[in-house]
Amino acid sequence: DTGVSQDPRHKITKRGQNVTFRCDPISEHNRLYWYRQTLGQGPEFLTYFQNEAQLEKSRLLSDRFSAERPKGSFSTLEIQRTEQGDSAMYLCASSSRQGPNYGYTFGSGTRLTVV
Amino acid sequence: GNSVTQMEGPVTLSEEAFLTINCTYTATGYPSLFWYVQYPGEGLQLLLKATKADDKGSNKGFEATYRKETTSFHLEKGSVQVSDSAVYFCALRGTTDSWGKLQFGAGTQVVVTP
Repeated sequence: DTGVSQDPRHKITKRGQNVTFRCDPISEHNRLYWYRQTLGQGPEFLTYFQNEAQLEKSRLLSDRFSAERPKGSFSTLEIQRTEQGDSAMYLCASSSRQGPNYGYTFGSGTRLTVV
Repeated sequence: GNSVTQMEGPVTLSEEAFLTINCTYTATGYPSLFWYVQYPGEGLQLLLKATKADDKGSNKGFEATYRKETTSFHLEKGSVQVSDSAVYFCALRGTTDSWGKLQFGAGTQVVVTP
């Protein structure tokens, strides 16, 4: 068990480009979450998957954002037509069914810089 | 809606000093409360938790007690070490978010000097 893996660790992109991030959760965890963390702030919830189903989305997740979790394993988060305001750390976390009472396991995050 | 308020940092302490980080929350019902720690370049790690009023969470010398009457969950450690330098986040899971959504505070940076 190597924990939650996120790739890439860092991404620099030009405004208007599309980017995609990947998250590999702990293998036996059926719940997966995406959060966004801006400098000096706590993480903000973006979306939640239980197995392959996306069950909850924050209004922070604009139409330019899309997340998938095919086959209930890894997940991708895509941002289309990036804007400078998208610059942030994108965190993935996973948990088992009992996880909400015991906390998640977070990945190290993908830091996005839009120039 | 639910919210979490933490004391602002940075908090700078000498080694072996006593640490307190204040956390208060707004939520209906009885949320679950958590403290997470983030070391430089790493993801958030669960430090401790409490799921009902008067519960005390503890781990690695850190403690926090769920106080319903004051809607607080202050983090304390009796004698900090340089290795405790990190950003600490208070978080809650609301009673309607049983599937796991967490609401985080803004974080408090702690710097411990030798």
